[in-house]
Amino acid sequence: AQKITQTQPGMFVQEKEAVTLDCTYDTSDPSYGLFWYKQPSSGEMIFLIYQGSYDQQNATEGRYSLNFQKARKSANLVISASQLGDSAMYFCAMTLVRGARQLTFGSGTQLTVLP
Amino acid sequence: GAGVSQSPSNKVTEKGKDVELRCDPISGHTALYWYRQSLGQGLEFLIYFQGNSAPDKSGLPSDRFSAERTGGSVSTLTIQRTQQEDSAVYLCASSLGLAGKAYEQYFGPGTRLTVT
Repeated sequence: AQKITQTQPGMFVQEKEAVTLDCTYDTSDPSYGLFWYKQPSSGEMIFLIYQGSYDQQNATEGRYSLNFQKARKSANLVISASQLGDSAMYFCAMTLVRGARQLTFGSGTQLTVLP
Repeated sequence: GAGVSQSPSNKVTEKGKDVELRCDPISGHTALYWYRQSLGQGLEFLIYFQGNSAPDKSGLPSDRFSAERTGGSVSTLTIQRTQQEDSAVYLCASSLGLAGKAYEQYFGPGTRLTVT
């Protein structure tokens, strides 16, 4: 079974600074994908970034980058130049490439950006 | 293009009643998922549909829960004899779901179910 661990229930960051949200995962399957989703207070789940287990380079999407350390089984999200609109709950998730490919989610990190 | 839509957005029901929740996935997405988000349990997978294949029901918490997907598109999640612990936000997601790859899932706005 897969497991995602997010150890930071809440994080604060000053506007315009960078912040790292931690995520570790556990699976014995070699083929998997890692995702980060953002959930604002309005409730919708917004896809941010994806990293495949065989990808050699860390994924980047605008101000988001995924720091993928396979040997440590970590997939931290880095948000550069934080904005007030980044305040939200952030979920790390993983899926196996085989089978149903359902997402297994972590417990989330509530990020608050301070002006 | 249109995203995943769900209806109703909110549903309040009395304990013991049946409820139906609807999901309309993104056009062309063959995979459809139902998840449940509750304070105590976080985000949980419920059921998965891929094309015309038999659904993966491994996440359904009890036999009071069922789902169907008609014509490979719209899906309905049915909860029979609702209990207070069924109160949660029910999220639907769809993806391209092609074999051999892990695609991002796009989520609908959810249905907030309250059982009184």
